[in-house]
Amino acid sequence: GAGVSQSPSNKVTEKGKDVELRCDPISGHTALYWYRQSLGQGLEFLIYFQGNSAPDKSGLPSDRFSAERTGGSVSTLTIQRTQQEDSAVYLCASSLDGRARTEAFFGQGTRLTVV
Amino acid sequence: AQKVTQAQTEISVVEKEDVTLDCVYETRDTTYYLFWYKQPPSGELVFLIRRNSFDEQNEISGRYSWNFQKSTSSFNFTITASQVVDSAVYFCALSERLTGGGNKLTFGTGTQLKVEL
Repeated sequence: GAGVSQSPSNKVTEKGKDVELRCDPISGHTALYWYRQSLGQGLEFLIYFQGNSAPDKSGLPSDRFSAERTGGSVSTLTIQRTQQEDSAVYLCASSLDGRARTEAFFGQGTRLTVV
Repeated sequence: AQKVTQAQTEISVVEKEDVTLDCVYETRDTTYYLFWYKQPPSGELVFLIRRNSFDEQNEISGRYSWNFQKSTSSFNFTITASQVVDSAVYFCALSERLTGGGNKLTFGTGTQLKVEL
């Protein structure tokens, strides 16, 4: 596909369960980002991947959050032992090279609801 | 710390009116980039424009125009002759360097624009 693809589009989970969110970036884009969008916090940066380098995890809110990127392409964001405050839209983005001047392209997001 | 302020939470206009969305930013960097993104109801953030800190020339793209003023740390966005399809949430964002290299975006809280017939 031409754009960033995320799955699932919606996820409802019970408190305490683990969830995995998937992101397929635009082909050829070396940089990949995860952001979270919630009513109380707005759009927050979570994690950044560049090629095969170690990711920048400075935005992850707790150690229940982790992410990996396999083969420099597809990424999975995992939230363990979900809490109600994890309810949000999780947005993935990719950019050609991760430089400040390069625009990021966003997916449509995964809406996570923890009940 | 970097900060982006969009003081207008929601704006309602009637179609064909002009509307300006305000954005004020704070940064210690001498080189930085500013962006505007549009988020329609579908949820996907759509890139509209990028402006670097060295280029204060205003830009016009169709009905859209942007006014960057470094002296007031503002990067305002004007839609001329608004249309219903312009209804969306608009985000202003600032590039911020990450410690280990690379960059992230710091977003404002967004302005919900509603254009009515």
